[in-house]
Amino acid sequence: NAGVTQTPKFQVLKTGQSMTLQCAQDMNHEYMSWYRQDPGMGLRLIHYSVGAGITDQGEVPNGYNVSRSTTEDFPLRLLSAAPSQTSVYFCASSYRGKDTQYFGPGTRLTVL
Amino acid sequence: AQSVTQLDSQVPVFEEAPVELRCNYSSSVSVYLFWYVQYPNQGLQLLLKYLSGSTLVESINGFEAEFNKSQTSFHLRKPSVHISDTAEYFCAALFLAGNNRKLIWGLGTSLAVNP
Repeated sequence: NAGVTQTPKFQVLKTGQSMTLQCAQDMNHEYMSWYRQDPGMGLRLIHYSVGAGITDQGEVPNGYNVSRSTTEDFPLRLLSAAPSQTSVYFCASSYRGKDTQYFGPGTRLTVL
Repeated sequence: AQSVTQLDSQVPVFEEAPVELRCNYSSSVSVYLFWYVQYPNQGLQLLLKYLSGSTLVESINGFEAEFNKSQTSFHLRKPSVHISDTAEYFCAALFLAGNNRKLIWGLGTSLAVNP
């Protein structure tokens, strides 16, 4: 199993550009989440999904969209990038009832 | 309100010394507790967890944590650390209220093991 994969690993955007961060898992996990990690602020939940076709907002959803058309994929879209979105983004998945989260390696995003 | 507090943002320690990373939670409902580790430039990975049963849980690399319900704590300990233990450690709590589950993360503790 590859586990949770994320692409790209690094990305530099200009203010106003849009992009999609990809996340995929091959463990048949129902739950998937997107977090951002900033110095001194720990992990903050952006969006999450409890299954294909179902998504919901976390604590910092503004400026981001998600969709979950398949169990495996959970892309995160930045609609119009802002410098405040400079961060490291992690995707995570878990099997319902097991509660352990499996994290991807992260995407380091810089918005100029 | 439910919360998770890691009491130390940074813990410097010398190699082979013991270490304790402190985590407290606040809750009126049942809780599962986790410690995750993040090595430099990597994602987080589960170190150990408490769901039920024995209040002392251990990891494969010598860490242990004890669930203390009366003190609402889940401190992480290791009797002798290695350079390779240098990492960020996150405490997390999954609060269980009927069908509602909420995962809350601490802000992390940076463990720096010096030679």
